[in-house]
Amino acid sequence: NAGVTQTPKFQVLKTGQSMTLQCAQDMNHNSMYWYRQDPGMGLRLIYYSASEGTTDKGEVPNGYNVSRLNKREFSLRLESAAPSQTSVYFCASSELGTLPYNEQFFGPGTRLTVL
Amino acid sequence: KQEVTQIPAALSVPEGENLVLNCSFTDSAIYNLQWFRQDPGKGLTSLLLIQSSQREQTSGRLNASLDKSSGRSTLYIAASQPGDSATYLCAVSFSGGSNYKLTFGKGTLLTVNP
Repeated sequence: NAGVTQTPKFQVLKTGQSMTLQCAQDMNHNSMYWYRQDPGMGLRLIYYSASEGTTDKGEVPNGYNVSRLNKREFSLRLESAAPSQTSVYFCASSELGTLPYNEQFFGPGTRLTVL
Repeated sequence: KQEVTQIPAALSVPEGENLVLNCSFTDSAIYNLQWFRQDPGKGLTSLLLIQSSQREQTSGRLNASLDKSSGRSTLYIAASQPGDSATYLCAVSFSGGSNYKLTFGKGTLLTVNP
């Protein structure tokens, strides 16, 4: 099993450009998450999807949109990138219905720079 | 505000030493607590998860404890090795709101010197 995969691994954008970060998991988990990691700020939740067909805002949702395409895939879109969105983005997944509840598994990350 | 704090921010030890990493949280109403390891430029690897009803979990040389009443967790690493050098992150799911959300500490950067 590949676990959680993310594409691309690296991306450089200019201010105002748009892009979509892709995430897929092969563990049959119900829940998926997008986090960003910034120096001195730690990891913060952007959006999450508790189950297929639902999405909810996390701590820092402004400037982002998400799509839960199916049970396996959860994408994060930046409509008009800003330098403040320069960060490392992590996707994660978990299963809430079985022990250990909500153990989250993370992908390798996407390193995004907005110029 | 529900917060997670990890002290110290950095720790350097000689190889073979036993060590303890600390995590504190502001609200004792938690769903679970998870310890992660992060290598430079990499993603997070789950090490141990402790449910709110548990007091400790063990995996190999790692032992994590949980004391909800005092708002503390510790990660004990026995017989440390240079390969243990990494950043260790503590994350808490607080009850009362979304049980799915993890609140992270800022991590402890561990260096094990040969």
